[in-house]
Amino acid sequence: GESVGLHLPTLSVQEGDNSIINCAYSNSASDYFIWYKQESGKGPQFIIDIRSNMDKRQGQRVTVLLNKTVKHLSLQIAATQPGDSAVYFCAETPGTDKLIFGTGTRLQVFP
Amino acid sequence: NAGVMQNPRHLVRRRGQEARLRCSPMKGHSHVYWYRQLPEEGLKFMVYLQKENIIDESGMPKERFSAEFPKEGPSILRIQQVVRGDSAAYFCASSPLRSNQPQHFGDGTRLSIL
Repeated sequence: GESVGLHLPTLSVQEGDNSIINCAYSNSASDYFIWYKQESGKGPQFIIDIRSNMDKRQGQRVTVLLNKTVKHLSLQIAATQPGDSAVYFCAETPGTDKLIFGTGTRLQVFP
Repeated sequence: NAGVMQNPRHLVRRRGQEARLRCSPMKGHSHVYWYRQLPEEGLKFMVYLQKENIIDESGMPKERFSAEFPKEGPSILRIQQVVRGDSAAYFCASSPLRSNQPQHFGDGTRLSIL
């Protein structure tokens, strides 16, 4: 069935380092991908999105890379800060309106 | 601009009671989505609505659950005769257009069943 999975459930990084969060997706029909950040007790917060006709998109301190050949998505956070500590989800839309979420990666930033 | 507003933030019900969760989308958004999240898990799609129409309810249990988005007022997710397994966080999202537009989420309703 459809699934979006993550390789690492928890990622620990030192403040100032770069973080890379990975995501594998299985539905080749997916044409739109989103990364969300979720802090404790809050809803998912939109970070960045990418469409399937692109392989890279940059935002402020964040970059999303899409490799359709191996169905892989990654989120890179530059100069990670304590405020980046949260759970990060990738989500895909396989040609429908609903989002399919992965199980999440917890990012812990140490001083 | 106000974001997606959900209320109540926390709701406690006893088994067999009804739970009503409300969601007001962002201004200008006409598409509403409901998701459910269990602890340490990702969000699972339940239902997608536009004003006065249910577009996709493929993720919603066939019994006890219903959703509406009336012409006036918030979207409502209704759970009848709640059971312990209904305990979860329920999130609402909205978007201005369908497909390939980011959905923006509220802070959810935490439903606890005693």
